[in-house]
Amino acid sequence: GAGVSQSPSNKVTEKGKDVELRCDPISGHTALYWYRQSLGQGLEFLIYFQGNSAPDKSGLPSDRFSAERTGGSVSTLTIQRTQQEDSAVYLCASSLRSGGGTDTQYFGPGTRLTVL
Amino acid sequence: DQQVKQNSPSLSVQEGRISILNCDYTNSMFDYFLWYKKYPAEGPTFLISISSIKDKNEDGRFTVFLNKSAKHLSLHIVPSQPGDSAVYFCAASGTGRRALTFGSGTRLQVQP
Repeated sequence: GAGVSQSPSNKVTEKGKDVELRCDPISGHTALYWYRQSLGQGLEFLIYFQGNSAPDKSGLPSDRFSAERTGGSVSTLTIQRTQQEDSAVYLCASSLRSGGGTDTQYFGPGTRLTVL
Repeated sequence: DQQVKQNSPSLSVQEGRISILNCDYTNSMFDYFLWYKKYPAEGPTFLISISSIKDKNEDGRFTVFLNKSAKHLSLHIVPSQPGDSAVYFCAASGTGRRALTFGSGTRLQVQP
């Protein structure tokens, strides 16, 4: 079946503009994660959704970042008033259920965001 | 404070030889460890995992070893193949913490 898809694959924006990144998880997966990878760094957790529970936003770096998940499926990550330090690859992952670390996360190809 | 560390940014081995990738962690609450492989322009792909109740897990050419007392794990690839050339990320999670904490990755190059 189809894997996790993300759009756009690349986004170039000017400092101060807002951007929206989209994630389509694997059908039937109830858990959805957003991570980002800055140049030369590992993946940094941003936010986690599980079913109808309140999202875990503990990884969001500032209040310029927000995310929503509509209908328990598609998710959108929004970055307002983008800054150059927001430049990174933003990765979405989904997993079948929330089972802690024993539940394998499947990643999308990512969106490369460049803020000029 | 990096809770998961991969101190070798790169590793080069000859085809057919063993590749050993290392990972150290500091958080004693971590109880599940994973290795992901990442090719350019693709998302990370799950490779192999190990629970803290084990010290070894094997899947084909890939074996992960866990030394809890040293807070150290390693991934062994035997024999290494050119198609194994990728960036390998070590990741960890703990009870009640669903998100993964990743290391910075090791770029493996397998020379034909």
